[in-house]
Amino acid sequence: GQSLEQPSEVTAVEGAIVQINCTYQTSGFYGLSWYQQHDGGAPTFLSYNALDGLEETGRFSSFLSRSDSYGYLLLQELQMKDSASYFCAAYPQGGKLIFGQGTELSVKP
Amino acid sequence: DTAVSQTPKYLVTQMGNDKSIKCEQNLGHDTMYWYKQDSKKFLKIMFSYNNKELIINETVPNRFSPKSPDKAHLNLHINSLELGDSAVYFCASSQGDNTYEQYFGPGTRLTVT
Repeated sequence: GQSLEQPSEVTAVEGAIVQINCTYQTSGFYGLSWYQQHDGGAPTFLSYNALDGLEETGRFSSFLSRSDSYGYLLLQELQMKDSASYFCAAYPQGGKLIFGQGTELSVKP
Repeated sequence: DTAVSQTPKYLVTQMGNDKSIKCEQNLGHDTMYWYKQDSKKFLKIMFSYNNKELIINETVPNRFSPKSPDKAHLNLHINSLELGDSAVYFCASSQGDNTYEQYFGPGTRLTVT
């Protein structure tokens, strides 16, 4: 089957750094995406890794290791507005995304 | 301008009724999707259309019927609604091979009583 695993919830304080891990098992694999979803809102695209290594976009970075079937999203200088759910999504064969269950990030003052 | 829009935003109806949700995107994308997000926030693809052609049809009850009149529109009709259909339904779109980067509509919260 195809599945992704990520922690259900993570808590951190403002200004800190947090890492949200994701392991995947898919039939065929092109890359790993990350999406952010605030309560009551729509998922929004954050990043995509097709190659191994770290991709940086402002305060957010995403990492992929194909050999370990593993990736993570790194959020730096956390702000209250970063409180949201974060989804990893694998892009396997078949023209669709397979989403993880989501990690609820709570940022405390 | 809204990139991906859905109507209605909220839908409350009784079991057994038939309802439709409409989606439009003005991004010029060629692929559109319907997702269902349950109460545990699990986001699961239901259907995908590319240039009006159905390309993904997951294991979804045949009470759900998508229709794409043109590549900018994708509608979802649901017959004989059941309690278990209560969820948030999201429409999304993407362009070309960029399936990994999808743009989601605001969602339609369907409540079946």
